[in-house]
Amino acid sequence: AIRMTQSPSSFSASTGDRVTITCRASQGISSYLAWYQQKPGKAPKLLIYAASTLQSGVPPRFSGSGSGTDFTLTISCLQSEDFATYYCQQYYSYPLTFGGGTKVEI
Amino acid sequence: QVQLQESGPGLVKPSETLSLTCAVSGYSISSGYYWGWIRQSPGKGLEWIGSMYYSGSTYYDPSLKSRVTISVDTSKNQFSLKLSSVTAADTAVYYCGRGGGDYTPFDYWGQGTLVTVSS
Repeated sequence: AIRMTQSPSSFSASTGDRVTITCRASQGISSYLAWYQQKPGKAPKLLIYAASTLQSGVPPRFSGSGSGTDFTLTISCLQSEDFATYYCQQYYSYPLTFGGGTKVEI
Repeated sequence: QVQLQESGPGLVKPSETLSLTCAVSGYSISSGYYWGWIRQSPGKGLEWIGSMYYSGSTYYDPSLKSRVTISVDTSKNQFSLKLSSVTAADTAVYYCGRGGGDYTPFDYWGQGTLVTVSS
């Protein structure tokens, strides 16, 4: 199985900050990488797919980059509603696997 | 607007079978896409359980494969999860979602349902 490793696991930030979360795959996954946002008690929400394509309705302050094994999610100007946990997921091969999550705290 | 809604017992006894259904509205399952199940143990991360295509192709996580069955009922536009011989380790919020096959992420999710395994 492809192991997805996210870093950091959590960090504190302030509104207006530019934040970057990284995700590393244990083997190449081309660009078959998705990012999700999850708030407490809610289902995950797809933010980005194909490593860098913004899902419809997602604010442009979110962006993704990378291919192969190394990927990043960037939030250009953190808003209050962005405090949440973020997960990466590879959909290149079975079994599908998620990263351990990155919690963005105030 | 595609919507998914999980339903099923919130409490299952150890060694019994967990059964959940995901009702889909706003999109016909037989129109395409894979449909899958994902779970999240309390305070933990996301774990993919399995996905299936409406025509019957299924993929399961190897660690659960011996206990999992995902099936579809196109007449009711819903799909189901059965997980046998459950233990406390299977206590989790279970989500259904659209995607998880043919190089597609999960773009629509149900709200999730908590299943507790306890006697």
